[in-house]
Amino acid sequence: AQTVTQSQPEMSVQEAETVTLSCTYDTSENNYYLFWYKQPPSRQMILVIRQEAYKQQNATENRFSVNFQKAAKSFSLKISDSQLGDTAMYFCAFMTNAGGTSYGKLTFGQGTILTVHP
Amino acid sequence: DGGITQSPKYLFRKEGQNVTLSCEQNLNHDAMYWYRQDPGQGLRLIYYSQIVNDFQKGDIAEGYSVSREKKESFPLTVTSAQKNPTAFYLCASSISQGGDQPQHFGDGTRLSIL
Repeated sequence: AQTVTQSQPEMSVQEAETVTLSCTYDTSENNYYLFWYKQPPSRQMILVIRQEAYKQQNATENRFSVNFQKAAKSFSLKISDSQLGDTAMYFCAFMTNAGGTSYGKLTFGQGTILTVHP
Repeated sequence: DGGITQSPKYLFRKEGQNVTLSCEQNLNHDAMYWYRQDPGQGLRLIYYSQIVNDFQKGDIAEGYSVSREKKESFPLTVTSAQKNPTAFYLCASSISQGGDQPQHFGDGTRLSIL
C-alpha cells in the first residue's frame, strides 16, 4: 500500500516571500502521479499542480513549482511571491497509474496549514 | 456553470438514524468519488464509481452505502452502523479514473451527531 507523509503540520511565510512544503511517499510502483491540492478556509479542494512520475522535468504552474526527486520519493511544493490568498491547508496526494485495485485512487497526506502574513 | 453540487452544507444525525448526502455533477464525468475528512487528517476514500450502476469500496467503506443509478448523481448514505460519523464529507468527479484526469471537488457537507 502507498503512504504519503507531510512532516510539517504548520508553516508560515511573509507576503511576497518564498516557502517550500515537504512531502515524501512510499511506493513500490514506477508509474504514478503526484498532486498538490489546496484547501482554503472555504473547504473546497483545489488542484494546484500535478507531476507524472515518468517525466523528469519538474512541473510548474505560475508561482507554484515542485521539486520531484523520484529516487528519494520526495515531492516538495515551492510557492514563490506568496500572497495572502495562498493561506490554506495544502495536501500532497499519490495515485498509481498501474492497473489493479488501487488504480485511480488518491492517497492523501495529513496536510500542512500554510499561513501567509502581511 | 459546470460543477459539483453537494447538499446539504450542514447535516445533523440522531442516534440510530440513516442520513443521505447528495452529490450531483453536470460535468459529464464518468467517475465519481466520496471522501471523508477528519480534523488534522487528509482525505480518505469511502466509495468510488467508474460508471453508472457500478461502484467499489474504498479504504473506509464500513457503515456507508452508495448508489449510482444516474451518471450525474452519486448519493452517500451514512448508516446507523457507522459509529463515528462526525466528519466533513467531500464528493469528487473526474472524466475517467486515472491520474491524467484530475478530480474536481464539491464544497462538502459537514455531518454532526445530535
